[in-house]
Amino acid sequence: EAGVAQSPRYKIIEKRQSVAFWCNPISGHATLYWYQQILGQGPKLLIQFQNNGVVDDSQLPKDRFSAERLKGVDSTLKIQPAKLEDSAVYLCASSRFLPQNNSPLHFGNGTRLTVT
Amino acid sequence: QKEVEQDPGPLSVPEGAIVSLNCTYSNSAFQYFMWYRQYSRKGPELLMYTYSSGNKEDGRFTAQVDKSSKYISLFIRDSQPSDSATYLCAILTGGGNKLTFGTGTQLKVEL
Repeated sequence: EAGVAQSPRYKIIEKRQSVAFWCNPISGHATLYWYQQILGQGPKLLIQFQNNGVVDDSQLPKDRFSAERLKGVDSTLKIQPAKLEDSAVYLCASSRFLPQNNSPLHFGNGTRLTVT
Repeated sequence: QKEVEQDPGPLSVPEGAIVSLNCTYSNSAFQYFMWYRQYSRKGPELLMYTYSSGNKEDGRFTAQVDKSSKYISLFIRDSQPSDSATYLCAILTGGGNKLTFGTGTQLKVEL
């Protein structure tokens, strides 16, 4: 079974620029998550999709972050404009069902963003 | 108060030692508890999944939940250098829809 694919692996941008990350979940996984992991901290949920609908985006800074999951498969996360505090690893994860249905999350290796 | 709190470490132990990693949580209604392991520059991977109270064992790893104290632990027996990683506790919150992580404990097992 192929894992969660993310690209790019690394990105360096200047503040106020825009950036986009891409995620391809495991085939058949209905639920897709974007987490932000700042150095030395645990992952923080930004947005969670069930198929192509949003389940939770309560911690997504909507003035600058946006995410979409067209056709319920691939997803993109965009930041516009970026701030220095957005420097972090952006992790995508997927699960077959919602977490409470004994459905573990599978993570990609993340995109490491540095904002200068 | 944070929903999940975890000792940040770092923790350094000799090979063969027993390691104890701990988290506390705020809401007694939480029922599903997980431990993830994260190697450097990799995504987290699921190690253990427990429901409610008690112990669960898998090889050298034991997960323990004490709901009366709102305390969860991961024990690693006969620790190996390959166990060197960051260990994240995680709890299903938000009515069971959302996985909330602790800050992670960085573990180094030295030869």
